[in-house]
Amino acid sequence: AQSVTQLDSHVSVSEGTPVLLRCNYSSSYSPSLFWYVQHPNKGLQLLLKYTSAATLVKGINGFEAEFKKSETSFHLTKPSAHMSDAAEYFCVVRALTGGFKTIFGAGTRLFVKA
Amino acid sequence: EPEVTQTPSHQVTQMGQEVILRCVPISNHLYFYWYRQILGQKVEFLVSFYNNEISEKSEIFDDQFSVERPDGSNFTLKIRSTKLEDSAMYFCASSGGAGGPSSYNEQFFGPGTRLTVL
Repeated sequence: AQSVTQLDSHVSVSEGTPVLLRCNYSSSYSPSLFWYVQHPNKGLQLLLKYTSAATLVKGINGFEAEFKKSETSFHLTKPSAHMSDAAEYFCVVRALTGGFKTIFGAGTRLFVKA
Repeated sequence: EPEVTQTPSHQVTQMGQEVILRCVPISNHLYFYWYRQILGQKVEFLVSFYNNEISEKSEIFDDQFSVERPDGSNFTLKIRSTKLEDSAMYFCASSGGAGGPSSYNEQFFGPGTRLTVL
């Protein structure tokens, strides 16, 4: 079975400070992991993905995530938040389990204060 | 940059009516998907479609739902008789993968159609 847990429903940071959005996953098979961002009234945009290559993955807009198999985590980080980063972020796991299953986390809403 | 488009952006309908949500996937993609997100809840997988047939569907995708690729560019989701609980944001997505299905293939999402059932 697969599952994704985003540990925080809301995260609030000040502009210029680091961002940490936490994601833990469970999968019986080697998963691919993704982070998507959703700005208000917009579709889901891919930030980055892990597909069994390098465990530290760099994405767009300065975001990166590290796949830690021992901790079953795929936390999203950014060294310095920008006002435009305020959005909803989704951690997604996808694996072949009797067909490809795509499971979304519940989402973390990021607030950035000036 | 190619993108997935969806129409309409917002659809309001009466309970019991049929609705068709339309999507234009990225032109060289082979796999197509529908997801929904009820307000305040998770994004949920509904169905995937490949080679003109459904390849996977979730428990949500019951007989009230159907998908079609009528003309080689559009990908539609039909809800035959809408219920109040069908009110949600519906996202279409597509992915490439000419070499076959893979968990690695990035899914490109459209902006969504907000369906409101009254």
